[in-house]
Amino acid sequence: EDQVTQSPEALRLQEGESSSLNCSYTVSGLRGLFWYRQDPGKGPEFLFTLYSAGEEKEKERLKATLTKKESFLHITAPKPEDSATYLCAVLSVSGTYKYIFGTGTRLKVLA
Amino acid sequence: GAVVSQHPSRVICKSGTSVKIECRSLDFQATTMFWYRQFPKQSLMLMATSNEGSKATYEQGVEKDKFLINHASLTLSTLTVTSAHPEDSSFYICSARGVMNTEAFFGQGTRLTVV
Repeated sequence: EDQVTQSPEALRLQEGESSSLNCSYTVSGLRGLFWYRQDPGKGPEFLFTLYSAGEEKEKERLKATLTKKESFLHITAPKPEDSATYLCAVLSVSGTYKYIFGTGTRLKVLA
Repeated sequence: GAVVSQHPSRVICKSGTSVKIECRSLDFQATTMFWYRQFPKQSLMLMATSNEGSKATYEQGVEKDKFLINHASLTLSTLTVTSAHPEDSSFYICSARGVMNTEAFFGQGTRLTVV
């Protein structure tokens, strides 16, 4: 069964303190792995798509990486405005076209 | 690009009435749309998947007669919560995927409160 597990559940960082969020997945065949950012009371905002192991994508202070078992979202020198919940999702090549979401990591960056 | 607009953002309705939520893809054709429900501090719960011109596929446990989904065009899907009750109060979010994309893009969400 396709599954996504994110850790940690919650993370508090000081401004400028770099860290990584983890997304472990099991899927019968990976069509794509996706990262989203969700602010309270809003819909998720698309960040990255990763397709194959070794792939990396960057956007401002965020960098997403992918291996055959997990993905990391690295946050370099975070700012308070990076505070949000970060969601990871996978899409399998088999079965129905359904995205499997993790439960997210709630990130709080303190000034 | 890839903008999905969802309306209304907030709605309060009386118990027993119906509420319609619209989800529009503004700059791409959405071959597939998804409807989710989200409880506080929890992840997204998929309710149903709809393809343009076809009947929606509902997830197990989701009442299709209560949550009516229509995907009449490549840019519009609607979710109607019929005979709403307080337990239907929640945050509803749509997403849309175009034929050229593997990623889905989300609307802003609708906060439904049934009183």
